[in-house]
Amino acid sequence: DVKVTQSSRYLVKRTGEKVFLECVQDMDHENMFWYRQDPGLGLRLIYFSYDVKMKEKGDIPEGYSVSREKKERFSLILESASTNQTSMYLCASQRGTDTQYFGPGTRLTVL
Amino acid sequence: GESVGLHLPTLSVQEGDNSIINCAYSNSASDYFIWYKQESGKGPQFIIDIRSNMDKRQGQRVTVLLNKTVKHLSLQIAATQPGDSAVYFCADIYNFNKFYFGSGTKLNVKP
Repeated sequence: DVKVTQSSRYLVKRTGEKVFLECVQDMDHENMFWYRQDPGLGLRLIYFSYDVKMKEKGDIPEGYSVSREKKERFSLILESASTNQTSMYLCASQRGTDTQYFGPGTRLTVL
Repeated sequence: GESVGLHLPTLSVQEGDNSIINCAYSNSASDYFIWYKQESGKGPQFIIDIRSNMDKRQGQRVTVLLNKTVKHLSLQIAATQPGDSAVYFCADIYNFNKFYFGSGTKLNVKP
């Protein structure tokens, strides 16, 4: 079974803090993705990566950055958290053109 | 396609009845389509997929129908059970690596 894990299920941060969300997959997948999920809006792609040290902007990259130093780990960074970044963050991984497998999500609240 | 709004469409069914969840998409060049199930507090889980050259695919208790003429996808769940209560959303995949997610339908199963 594919396993995608995220470092925290729930996180509460203050405006202006730097926030790190970690995602790890154990299936040697090349592709990894970060989405945010908001009620009624579906999943929106923030960033994705097709290989180590490689990153591509998704549809809503503003206010976020990512890091992929190792194949199994893809980190999402909020340089200076703002209240409009309160959301559910979902990480996914994918082998080639296969389906995407999702982690359990991190519900981030920014106060 | 996506429906933008603050509230998810909701489908309420009686336990044991069949459920039909619908999805519209806009890209006529999509390669394949996936249905995901997302339970409260969890990440999305793959249910079933269908290639664009098919019009029907069956799994265990689930059937997906694809009508390319009207760009419509449906998920049928037979003999719906309380454990089926979740949000269901579709994804259409273009070029095998560009995923577009719908905002979802909430399925409530009444005992």
